[in-house]
Amino acid sequence: DGGITQSPKYLFRKEGQNVTLSCEQNLNHDAMYWYRQDPGQGLRLIYYSQIVNDFQKGDIAEGYSVSREKKESFPLTVTSAQKNPTAFYLCASNQGQVGQPQHFGDGTRLSIL
Amino acid sequence: QKEVEQNSGPLSVPEGAIASLNCTYSDRGSQSFFWYRQYSGKSPELIMSIYSNGDKEDGRFTAQLNKASQYVSLLIRDSQPSDSATYLCAVNAWVDTGRRALTFGSGTRLQVQP
Repeated sequence: DGGITQSPKYLFRKEGQNVTLSCEQNLNHDAMYWYRQDPGQGLRLIYYSQIVNDFQKGDIAEGYSVSREKKESFPLTVTSAQKNPTAFYLCASNQGQVGQPQHFGDGTRLSIL
Repeated sequence: QKEVEQNSGPLSVPEGAIASLNCTYSDRGSQSFFWYRQYSGKSPELIMSIYSNGDKEDGRFTAQLNKASQYVSLLIRDSQPSDSATYLCAVNAWVDTGRRALTFGSGTRLQVQP
């Protein structure tokens, strides 16, 4: 089945630790996105990538990093510089053309230990 | 002013009634509008896309777009308890970093009472 796979489903971060969230898609989509959702709020864009080996900062990129070495994969690292990382993280993808909807993975819930 | 605004709710309707969810947006140049449904603890699921003025129907769902008034709405006919969720409006809009991006409202929580 085609889709977007995020792992792990739940993740716990210790003080000073970097953690990496995985996002893989087999939809042959060019563009991939990372969002953060806090309780009762909408989605805020962290980073996006429209092509392999290129990515752009979104609205809240500080404390996060990404890479796009393969079309199928867009991992997100939450660094120790992100002081309030507890949130629901969502990965999405689409063909990258303006006006197309995005489709989401199941999300990763990150908490601080 | 937020780019995309929704009433947070909860909007409570009895089973079988019509639920009406509204969304306003600030960018007059927006051309693409989407409704997502998000169950508690789950990821958003696309339920409707609309690109031109007027109504678009898909089963029990109807999306309505009025670009002159800058609002888009979602009607759910014959509401079922399984429709209880948060509904996110998303608009392809210019954002202040100088690019066009899919911008989400904070969602309206719908409760359908059996």
